[in-house]
Amino acid sequence: DTGVSQNPRHKITKRGQNVTFRCDPISEHNRLYWYRQTLGQGPEFLTYFQNEAQLEKSRLLSDRFSAERPKGSFSTLEIQRTEQGDSAMYLCASSTRPYGYTFGSGTRLTVV
Amino acid sequence: AQSVTQLDSHVSVSEGTPVLLRCNYSSSYSPSLFWYVQHPNKGLQLLLKYTSAATLVKGINGFEAEFKKSETSFHLTKPSAHMSDAAEYFCVLRREYGNKLVFGAGTILRVKS
Repeated sequence: DTGVSQNPRHKITKRGQNVTFRCDPISEHNRLYWYRQTLGQGPEFLTYFQNEAQLEKSRLLSDRFSAERPKGSFSTLEIQRTEQGDSAMYLCASSTRPYGYTFGSGTRLTVV
Repeated sequence: AQSVTQLDSHVSVSEGTPVLLRCNYSSSYSPSLFWYVQHPNKGLQLLLKYTSAATLVKGINGFEAEFKKSETSFHLTKPSAHMSDAAEYFCVLRREYGNKLVFGAGTILRVKS
């Protein structure tokens, strides 16, 4: 068990490009979460999966954002037509019960 | 709405002196509260959690926190700071419905030698 793995660690992209991030949760965890952390702020909830079902989405998740969790294993977060305001750390977490969150190290996105 | 407020954005202490990081919460129910620590380029690590059992909660690395309902507070303390404690600390509330965590803005702890 190597914990929650996120790739890539860093991503620099030009405005208007699409980017995709991947999260591999702890294998026995059925719940997976995405959070976004901007500079000087605490992480903010984006979306939540239980197995392959996306059960909740934040209003922060605009139409340009889409998340998937095929087969209830790894998850991807795609941002289309990136904007400078999308620059942030994107954190993934997994759990198997309400309190047992494990966070990954995050993907830092810079939009230039 | 449930929320948490961390009262200090930065705290600076000398090594070997006590640490106090302050957190107030707002909730219409008895919440579950957590403290997480984030070291640079590392993931968030759980320090401790309160889930309506004992009001004084002991965590890892000598940290503890006390849940005070009358003051709606959940302050984090440590008797003696170590250089390795320098990091950003987040007070976190678990929302009543669903599994969403609500984070405070964070407190950066600096430990001087």
